[in-house]
Amino acid sequence: DVKVTQSSRYLVKRTGEKVFLECVQDMDHENMFWYRQDPGLGLRLIYFSYDVKMKEKGDIPEGYSVSREKKERFSLILESASTNQTSMYLCASSFLEAGKGEAFFGQGTRLTVV
Amino acid sequence: QQPVQSPQAVILREGEDAVINCSSSKALYSVHWYRQKHGEAPVFLMILLKGGEQKGHDKISASFNEKKQQSSLYLTASQLSYSGTYFCGTGYDRGSTLGRLYFGRGTQLTVWP
Repeated sequence: DVKVTQSSRYLVKRTGEKVFLECVQDMDHENMFWYRQDPGLGLRLIYFSYDVKMKEKGDIPEGYSVSREKKERFSLILESASTNQTSMYLCASSFLEAGKGEAFFGQGTRLTVV
Repeated sequence: QQPVQSPQAVILREGEDAVINCSSSKALYSVHWYRQKHGEAPVFLMILLKGGEQKGHDKISASFNEKKQQSSLYLTASQLSYSGTYFCGTGYDRGSTLGRLYFGRGTQLTVWP
């Protein structure tokens, strides 16, 4: 019954490392999203993609990049991890139009950068 | 374009009612409501569309006031299982935003026995 799967629940990385967070969905959704969740700030959009090889910046894209080579997979890349990127990262997917139905979220990846 | 949720936190006794509001500064096309329990992923509750009807299931319902550019989530006769953080996600202009939602900061709801 798993719909959106994130590769890791917990990650600890060192400052300056390149970090890859992977997300896979099995619902044939066009849209995929990466959010960052910090206490009191809600869900902030980093990047989203509405099609293979297409990407759009969200509200806080600095320090991140993304890759979508296949429809079902969306990767978030931290080019050089910093301590202020310690956070919970949530992946989500949905149909193309906002009104067509729910977004499904993955379980999240708790990233700690030391 | 982040919607504003209020209140930030609510504490209830079992059986009490609560209302959570979500306000936008821009005309809305859709409003999604999600609940997130501690340590879990957000889970979809319902979606309301411009011109659509009030939605609800069980004792949780929601309304969409286009004129006021806001939505309200109503939790009636709250149960312990209602505890969690509630998020509204707003969608604007069906065609241009490609399904992107703007989420509020969340409302933390705690229900005590």
